[in-house]
Parts: sequence; structure tokens; C-alpha cells
Amino acid sequence: GQQLNQSPQSMFIQEGEDVSMNCTSSSIFNTWLWYKQDPGEGPVLLIALYKAGELTSNGRLTAQFGITRKDSFLNISASIPSDVGIYFCAGNSGGSNYKLTFGKGTLLTVNP
Amino acid sequence: GAVVSQHPSRVICKSGTSVKIECRSLDFQATTMFWYRQFPKKSLMLMATSNEGSKATYEQGVEKDKFLINHASLTLSTLTVTSAHPEDSSFYICSCSGQGNEAFFGQGTRLTVV
Repeated sequence: GQQLNQSPQSMFIQEGEDVSMNCTSSSIFNTWLWYKQDPGEGPVLLIALYKAGELTSNGRLTAQFGITRKDSFLNISASIPSDVGIYFCAGNSGGSNYKLTFGKGTLLTVNP
Repeated sequence: GAVVSQHPSRVICKSGTSVKIECRSLDFQATTMFWYRQFPKKSLMLMATSNEGSKATYEQGVEKDKFLINHASLTLSTLTVTSAHPEDSSFYICSCSGQGNEAFFGQGTRLTVV
């Protein structure tokens, strides 16, 4: 089946630093989504990408849908302590039931 | 984004009993709902996909008689863990998708079987 490779697995950064994480797929996706999950909570949608090459921002977050449709990255600028959490990429290859494939997640720790 | 409510957020039950978890889409009609299981520090594992009014489609290795899913309306799906055992203890999360290309998640349910 489809597989998503998400890296890095974890990151430890200082407050104010920029962060970048990415996902690559063994197959083409039509949609890329980035979620953040806090402990004990469900994932919250951060950014949705629908077109190859699309670059979308949401506040300090920027994500891009790769031209090959097999990769995506998420950047966080000027990190703050509340950015701590697990970030997941997810892709959908199409179809009416909108089934997502998830990456394994990136655990982000921000030191004040 | 859309609001998905999952209830209960935490439940502790005795081994051998059944537990029902509800997932509701509050401000949109969810044509498809998904149920995931998540182990500590791991990614989400899709258990099943359900479309309103039809039988759920289970992923390989997920026992459909163990994890009963009902999607009776466009705003409600339930997951019942039958005859729960300690190994069923986990974090269960639902997500809903409507006519758009996005999926929104519930808050999750922490199930502990003692």
C-alpha cells in the first residue's frame, strides 16, 4: 500500500528558531494535509494543499505541495513554546471516500 | 474548520464489557467517517471507513465483530468495542469528511480496560 516517509522523527529547537519538516510518498497524492496533535487530543488541521506546486501560508506556517505530487514540506517560522506537539502529514490519492494515509509524525520540542 | 465532537473523552471499563464511543459532526454533513486507533507516540492507524447508511469497510487485521461501527446518519457514527480486553486499551479517534477535500478529527477517546 501507500507509504509516507516523514522526517525528522523529532526536533529540539530554541524558541525563535525556524523549523522545517517534510514528507515523501511512494506514490502520487492529490491532496496533502498537515495536522498538529497535542497530547491527549485529536489532530487539528493546519494547512490543506490541493495542487502540485501550491504554496500556502497560515500565520507562521507555510506548506508546499511538491511538483512531483509525491512530497510536501511544512515550515514553521519564529517558533514559540506553544508550537510543541506532534505534526503529521497526510495524503489522499483521490476517490470519493477520502481515505488518508498518515506519516509517522514529527515530535517538536521548543525550549523557551 | 468544521467541528467534530467525540464522546466520551475518557472511559475506564472492566474486562469483558462493551464500550460505545460516539462521533458527531456538529456543523456539516459527514458523508464518510473514519475510525483510527493510536498507540503512544505512534501515528494514527486506520481501523475502518464508514459511509452513512452502509456497512463499514474494515482495514486488514481489524476484527469487525470486535469493533462494531454504525453510521446511522450524516452526523453520527458510533464505534462499539465489544467484550473489551486490556489489549484494547488505546486512544481512539474519529474523523469526518463531507463534500470538501478535508477531514476533521474528534478530540479522541482514551479507553482503559482493567
